[in-house]
Amino acid sequence: GDSVTQMEGPVTLSEEAFLTINCTYTATGYPSLFWYVQYPGEGLQLLLKATKADDKGSNKGFEATYRKETTSFHLEKGSVQVSDSAVYFCALTKDGNKLVFGAGTILRVKS
Amino acid sequence: EAQVTQNPRYLITVTGKKLTVTCSQNMNHEYMSWYRQDPGLGLRQIYYSMNVEVTDKGDVPEGYKVSRKEKRNFPLILESPSPNQTSLYFCASSYASVNTGELFFGEGSRLTVL
Repeated sequence: GDSVTQMEGPVTLSEEAFLTINCTYTATGYPSLFWYVQYPGEGLQLLLKATKADDKGSNKGFEATYRKETTSFHLEKGSVQVSDSAVYFCALTKDGNKLVFGAGTILRVKS
Repeated sequence: EAQVTQNPRYLITVTGKKLTVTCSQNMNHEYMSWYRQDPGLGLRQIYYSMNVEVTDKGDVPEGYKVSRKEKRNFPLILESPSPNQTSLYFCASSYASVNTGELFFGEGSRLTVL
């Protein structure tokens, strides 16, 4: 079945460091890809999405490019802030009904 | 304010005692879904509903029931809870499918079954 694999965390960075969180997927066809973020004690929020190959999603300084050849959707940010500390989930859907999530990656940013 | 509201937020119960976790959204969304979140497993879909009276199983439906009698409400029912259903539960909604619309999540319901 379809699946999403994320790099294990936690990822600990200093403020203003460059962030990469790896995400790869297994799915037939052409899924849509998403990054959701969960701040402490809250539900998930959509961070960005891409619906076809080579699309780049971006929001709040984060970006990710849909790479069909490597089945990847890595999340990047050029300069992280303490307020970016959260759990980040990569996810996919093929039919629009079922969203398949990765296990999540904890990001901790130190000042 | 647009929101998805879950109740209760925290619950400790015992094996076999039926319980219902309510979910209500005020955005007139067609699509609603339940997920459970467990450490190391991410979120797994339990059930989803594309519209009133239309529900379907997700990846982990065993031990759960749902109903969608009204557009705004999508309760999750545990007829006979067991300890392996101890988890953090999230309800979510979207105006259409998750492909075209953002999924809005509630704040979560932490359930402990003893």
